[in-house]
Amino acid sequence: GQQLNQSPQSMFIQEGEDVSMNCTSSSIFNTWLWYKQDPGEGPVLLIALYKAGELTSNGRLTAQFGITRKDSFLNISASIPSDVGIYFCAGRKSSGGSNYKLTFGKGTLLTVNP
Amino acid sequence: GAGVSQTPSNKVTEKGKYVELRCDPISGHTALYWYRQSLGQGPEFLIYFQGTGAADDSGLPNDRFFAVRPEGSVSTLKIQRTERGDSAVYLCASSSGADYGYTFGSGTRLTVV
Repeated sequence: GQQLNQSPQSMFIQEGEDVSMNCTSSSIFNTWLWYKQDPGEGPVLLIALYKAGELTSNGRLTAQFGITRKDSFLNISASIPSDVGIYFCAGRKSSGGSNYKLTFGKGTLLTVNP
Repeated sequence: GAGVSQTPSNKVTEKGKYVELRCDPISGHTALYWYRQSLGQGPEFLIYFQGTGAADDSGLPNDRFFAVRPEGSVSTLKIQRTERGDSAVYLCASSSGADYGYTFGSGTRLTVV
């Protein structure tokens, strides 16, 4: 099935550094979501974006919905060890009755060195 | 309960056997979803229930896979004649409506040997 193009695949950073990851698609999505998944757990929603150009923050996390509606990025500032995990972008289309189905990226594995 | 509950958390089965995976959604959530996550991949959509009916089962890979939600609450994903390629984490999620954010369960890790 279709998956979004998410990069980088993995990142290894020092505690305190800022992190940026992004997601692109060949088709338009009307909602962009960012999730974090810890080992043995399901994905947990971090940020939801509903409008093209929207910039939304949640603590040290900031995400933007690209103006073309085909991309999104997530920034994490001043990383801490508990930021370790896999980050997924997901898109949702609202046309054609598919407003419930999420299409996910392959994930970005973040490792933070204390 | 407070979250989406999935049982079992791990299941090892032999090739060719039948398995059932259970999902108990958040109370009152009418929408329920099953996704499959293979190693190193993001979750992929399998099926969506609105109430008791499967509104969209287009993600089920083949007719060995079937899911039910007879009373509009608990759902069971059933896999017949399991194959090694079915090995994955099966995630269930629920929401209060199709437009709202999902809450995922912790998943069932299925291993077919």
